[in-house]
Amino acid sequence: EVQLVESGGGLVQPGGSLRLSCAASGFSFSGEAMQWVRQAPGKGLVWVSRIDPEGSTTTYADSVKGRFTSSKDNARNTLYLQLNSLRAEDTAVYFCARDFPGPHDALDIWGQGTMVTVSS
Amino acid sequence: EIVLTQSPGTLSLSPGERATLSCRASQSVSSNYLAWYQQNPGQAPRLLIYGAFNRATGIPDRFSGSASGTDFTLTISRLEPEDFAVYYCQQYGSSPFTFGPGTKVDIK
Repeated sequence: EVQLVESGGGLVQPGGSLRLSCAASGFSFSGEAMQWVRQAPGKGLVWVSRIDPEGSTTTYADSVKGRFTSSKDNARNTLYLQLNSLRAEDTAVYFCARDFPGPHDALDIWGQGTMVTVSS
Repeated sequence: EIVLTQSPGTLSLSPGERATLSCRASQSVSSNYLAWYQQNPGQAPRLLIYGAFNRATGIPDRFSGSASGTDFTLTISRLEPEDFAVYYCQQYGSSPFTFGPGTKVDIK
C-alpha cells in the first residue's frame, strides 16, 4: 500500500524549532519529488516547499524561506522538514505529499498531517 | 508569484445538480499545470484533476476539468452526497506553487 505517515508535530514556543518527519512506503521514494503543504486551523491550503527526487534541489514559499529546510533521506525512505525561528503564524497542520509521477507536479499521495502549534 | 482566485466562495446545491467551480490565475499557467483537489473536514486533500483536464486514478467521470487562457473550471456533472466538500485549485507551472482559497460546496 502506498502510504505517507507524518510525525514530529507538537507545541513549541515562539522562536523555537521542530523537525517533522514523513515516512514513505509502497513506492520508489528515491525516484519521486516530494512537497510540504500546510493548513492553519479553519483556513485553506498553503504550499510550503518542494524537494527533487535526489534531495539536491529545494524550493520554498517566501513566508518560510531561510527558516525552514526540507531534506530527503532516500536510504531511510523519509522526508524531513526542519522548522526554525517559529512564529505564531506557523501554527498549522503540516502535510507531506508525493509529486505525481512524470512531468506533473500535482500531489497524488498525501499523509494524514501533523499538527504544529506555536504558542507561549 | 501566480495568484489563484476561486469563485464562488460557497456554492449551495442539491444532490443531482451540476456544480461549476472557477479558478482564475493572475498570469498564464505554464503548460496548463493546474490541479484540483477535494478536501473533507479532518482529512487530507485528494487529487481529482491534474494538467487541467486529466482525471486522477479512481476519480469518477462526473468530475471534469477545462481551461481557457487563465480561467480554469472544475465541473461536477451530478452531485453525489460524498461530493459536498471544499475544492482547491493549485498551479504547479512555476515556483512558488500556489493554491487558491477554496470553494465550499454545501447542501442546499
